[in-house]
Formats: sequence, C-alpha cells, structure tokens
Amino acid sequence: SQQGEEDPQALSIQEGENATMNCSYKTSINNLQWYRQNSGRGLVHLILIRSNEREKHSGRLRVTLDTSKKSSSLLITASRAADTASYFCATDEYSGYALNFGKGTSLLVTP
Amino acid sequence: ETGVTQSPTHLIKTRGQQVTLRCSSQSGHNTVSWYQQALGQGPQFIFQYYREEENGRGNFPPRFSGLQFPNYSSELNVNALELDDSALYLCASSLLGLAGVRETQYFGPGTRLLVL
Repeated sequence: SQQGEEDPQALSIQEGENATMNCSYKTSINNLQWYRQNSGRGLVHLILIRSNEREKHSGRLRVTLDTSKKSSSLLITASRAADTASYFCATDEYSGYALNFGKGTSLLVTP
Repeated sequence: ETGVTQSPTHLIKTRGQQVTLRCSSQSGHNTVSWYQQALGQGPQFIFQYYREEENGRGNFPPRFSGLQFPNYSSELNVNALELDDSALYLCASSLLGLAGVRETQYFGPGTRLLVL
C-alpha cells in the first residue's frame, strides 16, 4: 500500500520561481526521503530527513518534517527547466523494510 | 551516478513466460530491494534481501522470487507473466548497519518490462 501522499499531483511554474511540494503519511517513521524521477527512469535520491530532525537543506532544496502532523514539504528555490521531473516522498517505517512511496508530484518548469 | 546497475534496460515478453532481471548493488552495500512501478504510480515494494536472505516482502504473489549473491548482486525472477506485470522494475541498494539503522536507498535506472 502507498503511505505517502504528495500534493499537488501536478505543478507548473516558470523558471526562477519557487516550487513547494507536500507529503502526508500515516504511521510512525524512521526517516523520510525525497526522490526525483525523470521521464520514467531511475529514482535519484535528493535528501533524507530523520524523524528527530525538523529541517534540512541541500543546495536549492529545503525539506521540513512535522512528525506531529505527519507531513513533510520539499521546497525548490529558483527553479530551472532541468528541475522538470516527478518528485516522490518515501517513508521508511520503524516496523517495516520497505520505502513507501506516494504517487508523486509532476513538476513542469517552463523557460 | 548511484553505482547501482540493472540489466537489461528493456525487455518484451509474452504472457505465461518467465523473466529474470539483474541488479548490481553499490559497493559496500549489504541490502537490496526490488520495486515495481506501474505507469503513473509510485514504486511498490516487492521484497528485500539482506545477506542473501529475504527479510521482507510486499504484497506480491510467490511467482515473484529473488536471489542475492555473495557479491551483493541480485536477481528478480517472475514466473507465469501476466499483462499487469508490465512495469518499470527498480532495484535499490543500501547499507543496513549493526544497530539496525537504515540509510539511504540508491536506485538503479530500472528495467522496463512489457508483457504482450
């Protein structure tokens, strides 16, 4: 079953704008990871945030985690056309072995 | 580049046939997981191998089976292929530490399987 649910399903912005994607989940987690996928190819790991962390940065990426609300957000600042891709959040539960993915957010960045 | 490779990149089979997909994990990783991604969906967990033993399985029938070898390469075997098995199959490798701490899973480029 898919635990993570990304919102919105699709997002279209212009280059230079910021893109924010949200993820909600249902059970307690060990960590939460964000991945990018270009055109149905392999998943590229972006960032991992542990359950005891609230915010992490990596370049133009900022991820927040609110375990009380069981939600996370991914912010991409100053977006570029090359950021066009599908973005997935994946939760790693204490009780399981799998990463649980949502259906993803499809981001389109136009020049 | 994640260091995780998969072969073949594309494959076409007919219903009822059997298929073997291969994955080579990133050096130093002791865990490999397999995922199925249908078009427009997120990846679904099939199973995970740790030190050559299956230690977790998703909601997939027994005709999905796997192996992990001492060199941490892995195979996914699917018997009696069905049309709904058409998907992108992804493997991911990671390091499971002694304290049970799970780190980032690094994915390969995937094998796209089409069942006709």
